[in-house]
Amino acid sequence: KAGVTQTPRYLIKTRGQQVTLSCSPISGHRSVSWYQQTPGQGLQFLFEYFSETQRNKGNFPGRFSGRQFSNSRSEMNVSTLELGDSALYLCASSPGLAGTLRDIQYFGAGTRLSVL
Amino acid sequence: SQKIEQNSEALNIQEGKTATLTCNYTNYSPAYLQWYRQDPGRGPVFLLLIRENEKEKRKERLKVTFDTTLKQSLFHITASQPADSATYLCAIMGTGNQFYFGTGTSLTVIP
Repeated sequence: KAGVTQTPRYLIKTRGQQVTLSCSPISGHRSVSWYQQTPGQGLQFLFEYFSETQRNKGNFPGRFSGRQFSNSRSEMNVSTLELGDSALYLCASSPGLAGTLRDIQYFGAGTRLSVL
Repeated sequence: SQKIEQNSEALNIQEGKTATLTCNYTNYSPAYLQWYRQDPGRGPVFLLLIRENEKEKRKERLKVTFDTTLKQSLFHITASQPADSATYLCAIMGTGNQFYFGTGTSLTVIP
């Protein structure tokens, strides 16, 4: 089975721009979660999508948004970029079904975003 | 607010020794706790899950304990090898059904 694929791997943007990141989950996984990882704050949950609906949301401003398509692929968008948005953005998929195994996160390699 | 702390940012040990990493959490009673490994430039990889009614879980050279009274999990790697060098993260599911991750412990196994 192919793993979680994130594109692009690296991205450089300037303040005020917007960016869209893409994530293809493991085949059959219906849940996709997004995380931001920085040296200071560690890994922080952004949001989770399940069957095209946002199921959970972390404590991030509205500039961070996402969506999920019918094939479970997901995109994350950040508008009006700030310097502090520079981070590794990780996508994780899981089966999303009931039970503790549903919550094992299978991560992609991430997109490294640099905001100048 | 819910908080997860991992005891040290970095841990260096000699090859062959047992590495012990600590994860402490506050303001929550998780039904289970997970451990992940992260290598530089890669996403975390799931290692083990331990439920609240399990005191100990083993997988090959890995052992995890879970003390819900102390609100602590210990992660052990026995007979450590240089290939075990990585950052190890613990995670619990907290309020709002979101995962909270510790900041990680960077383990270096010295040959």
